[in-house]
Amino acid sequence: AQSVTQLGSHVSVSEGALVLLRCNYSSSVPPYLFWYVQYPNQGLQLLLKYTTGATLVKGINGFEAEFKKSETSFHLTKPSAHMSDAAEYFCAVSEGSGGGADGLTFGKGTHLIIQP
Amino acid sequence: AAGVIQSPRHLIKEKRETATLKCYPIPRHDTVYWYQQGPGQDPQFLISFYEKMQSDKGSIPDRFSAQQFSDYHSELNMSSLELGDSALYFCASSSPGQGKGYTFGSGTRLTVV
Repeated sequence: AQSVTQLGSHVSVSEGALVLLRCNYSSSVPPYLFWYVQYPNQGLQLLLKYTTGATLVKGINGFEAEFKKSETSFHLTKPSAHMSDAAEYFCAVSEGSGGGADGLTFGKGTHLIIQP
Repeated sequence: AAGVIQSPRHLIKEKRETATLKCYPIPRHDTVYWYQQGPGQDPQFLISFYEKMQSDKGSIPDRFSAQQFSDYHSELNMSSLELGDSALYFCASSSPGQGKGYTFGSGTRLTVV
């Protein structure tokens, strides 16, 4: 079984400040890890993903995340927050080595608030 | 670029009625996933199909069923609707080699009254 824990249901940062959204996972097999962003009344947009290889993953909109196996973490960062980054962010895990179309397990989400 | 198309965008049904949600995946995507997202909740995986066969099953109620057709579109059928079924229903699609970073549709908002 796999699970995802996102620390902090709400995170508030000032515009231009560092964004750090925390995600810890548990998985019995090497995981695939994802970050999705959701704007109000919209679908989920993939920000970035880790499957294999380089543990520092760069995504869209200046976001990046680092897979740390020893810490079972996949925290999302952005050096400088922009007002347009205000949204709900979901971390998700999938069994990486499994075949077939297994579903993602999502965390509870973190609402990112950007202060002007 | 073509995206995942879901219809309808909004649907209002009464308790005990049935509803059918449709999903049209990105062209050449052969895998479809269904998720349910309740108000203020994280998305919950319901079911997936690969090459028209059920592939994985999550927390889909017995009152719900789904299938994938020969053109790869999928339909989620929901019967005996309950108030608790009110949610956003997302469909996602992926293709072989995409590494499971699949693309979500904009969702169908189902309201049961």
